[in-house]
Amino acid sequence: DQQVKQNSPSLSVQEGRISILNCDYTNSMFDYFLWYKKYPAEGPTFLISISSIKDKNEDGRFTVFLNKSAKHLSLHIVPSQPGDSAVYFCAASDRSNDMRFGAGTRLTVKP
Amino acid sequence: NAGVMQNPRHLVRRRGQEARLRCSPMKGHSHVYWYRQLPEEGLKFMVYLQKENIIDESGMPKERFSAEFPKEGPSILRIQQVVRGDSAAYFCASSLAGSNYGYTFGSGTRLTVV
Repeated sequence: DQQVKQNSPSLSVQEGRISILNCDYTNSMFDYFLWYKKYPAEGPTFLISISSIKDKNEDGRFTVFLNKSAKHLSLHIVPSQPGDSAVYFCAASDRSNDMRFGAGTRLTVKP
Repeated sequence: NAGVMQNPRHLVRRRGQEARLRCSPMKGHSHVYWYRQLPEEGLKFMVYLQKENIIDESGMPKERFSAEFPKEGPSILRIQQVVRGDSAAYFCASSLAGSNYGYTFGSGTRLTVV
């Protein structure tokens, strides 16, 4: 039962351009959404989050957009840098407090 | 660095042996979560624990897997009679009080069953 879906397993962009990572969810009870970044052989690290009462949250080069009616969120990175190359996981939680993750998208930023 | 500590980093077990994975949460964190990442797959929720209580174990396989978070000491994920399909990276995360504070993940334990 995959409640959080990241349909693109990989994405490649040129340095300086925008990276857009997408995520869809099915559970309408989710009210908090997060993006995590993971480098090889390390644990995921928190990147940015958004509450369901908002539709946008921005932190430096990273912006998360939430479209509740479409049950869709996206992460925008602009400008993309080679150090952004990693696997990005979308996650969502409801009031039960445990989080569900998507399968991840591997972002490669080419110099 | 008082982050989430997992040990061992790498664990090799023969089929049929037991695997014990340990997780010490961040100081002050009372919520612990275990996730499994199979090769080429995402993070799959396994279990959510608070001190001495299992809150949600809906992601745990029904047999051979168990988890605990005692009053004192680390959280333990135990896999009995391991099989090759248990080979994966197991990540532990902790939080202050629920996911709205964000989780802090450990570096994971990579289990290889030979």
